[in-house]
Amino acid sequence: EDKVVQSPLSLVVHEGDTVTLNCSYEVTNFRSLLWYKQEKKAPTFLFMLTSSGIEKKSGRLSSILDKKELFSILNITATQTGDSAVYLCAVDPPWETSGSRLTFGEGTQLTVNP
Amino acid sequence: EAQVTQNPRYLITVTGKKLTVTCSQNMNHEYMSWYRQDPGLGLRQIYYSMNVEVTDKGDVPEGYKVSRKEKRNFPLILESPSPNQTSLYFCASSLSRSSEQYFGPGTRLTVT
Repeated sequence: EDKVVQSPLSLVVHEGDTVTLNCSYEVTNFRSLLWYKQEKKAPTFLFMLTSSGIEKKSGRLSSILDKKELFSILNITATQTGDSAVYLCAVDPPWETSGSRLTFGEGTQLTVNP
Repeated sequence: EAQVTQNPRYLITVTGKKLTVTCSQNMNHEYMSWYRQDPGLGLRQIYYSMNVEVTDKGDVPEGYKVSRKEKRNFPLILESPSPNQTSLYFCASSLSRSSEQYFGPGTRLTVT
């Protein structure tokens, strides 16, 4: 069974800190890995990663994928209170193993205090 | 405005009373999906649809039905709701399975 594990489950930091969120998966040869941010509403898309070692960046957020070690990290620098949210990781497995089922991790609850 | 809409946003119902949660998208997306989100379990896929008249089970399909008669609509049907279906439900759509998904605002369902 495909499995996506995120760590830590919960993290509390102060404004200005840098955080690293982890996503490991037990799915080989997958098509893509996606990161979403969920505040008190629906998840919103952050990044899609398909190639190992290539960093995706958007402002203070960046993410990279290591296909050999089967993990991805999401970095947030100079955190702000508006970064407080649940960050979700999802893996898109090969068609032949799981049809069209995306698998989400449980999420990391990030709280940024002023 | 490109969006996914769900209705109702909140629903309290009783065991056994059939209900439908509607989902509609205006982006001409082929792929649509239903998820439920529960504390400690994350987002779990219930059903998905690759295109009109093409639907398939996700990870937790028991107790749910879906249909995809038109590209824009993907209703979720609970024929006989039970308390263990109390959850937060999200509909999502994307151009394809591997594209970024756009999520609806969520439907909070309570079954007593």
